[in-house]
Amino acid sequence: GDSVTQTEGLVTLTEGLPVMLNCTYQTIYSNPFLFWYVQHLNESPRLLLKSFTDNKRTEHQGFHATLHKSSSSFHLQKSSAQLSDSALYYCALSESSGYNKLTFGKGTVLLVSP
Amino acid sequence: DTTVKQNPRYKLARVGKPVNLICSQTMNHDTMYWYQKKPNQAPKLLLFYYDKILNREADTFEKFQSSRPNNSFCSLYIGSAGLEYSAMYLCASSRADWGDYAEQFFGPGTRLTVL
Repeated sequence: GDSVTQTEGLVTLTEGLPVMLNCTYQTIYSNPFLFWYVQHLNESPRLLLKSFTDNKRTEHQGFHATLHKSSSSFHLQKSSAQLSDSALYYCALSESSGYNKLTFGKGTVLLVSP
Repeated sequence: DTTVKQNPRYKLARVGKPVNLICSQTMNHDTMYWYQKKPNQAPKLLLFYYDKILNREADTFEKFQSSRPNNSFCSLYIGSAGLEYSAMYLCASSRADWGDYAEQFFGPGTRLTVL
């Protein structure tokens, strides 16, 4: 079945430094949707980014990611971390539109300190 | 309003007893999902309703039941709780979109502890 791998369980950064959270995936489907969901403390997970198109950068709220089907990757990046970016980030995959069933990675906790 | 509500937020259950968790949404979404999240594991899809049709994942087919009495409500039912059911249960909803991906909106979760 499908799988999503997030290699870092915890990333700690100083404010102002760049952010990169890794995400790789496995699927038999040639056109998966890839997503990043973010969950702040005491809040529900919410969609941050999504992509379907190979090699196209997608951006939202200062974060960006590019789906690379050749390497099955969808890494999340931001040029300068802010304290408010501290949260749990999930990478997820959906094999198709329609029912939109999600396969999640384990998640990466990002902690940004002053 | 893009809120998905879950009740209760915390649930304590005894081994062997039934558990019923409730989820509601007012966005008129046709699809509602239940995920299970255990520590150091990825959230795992248990089942989802598309309109009135229940779809259960193969590996959890026997363990969970669900009902959707109307468009707004969806329950997750465990007939006989075991220790392995202790987890966070996340409900989500979305509209089915056959041409694109429609965002899933998540509730805050119900933390179930089975003793």
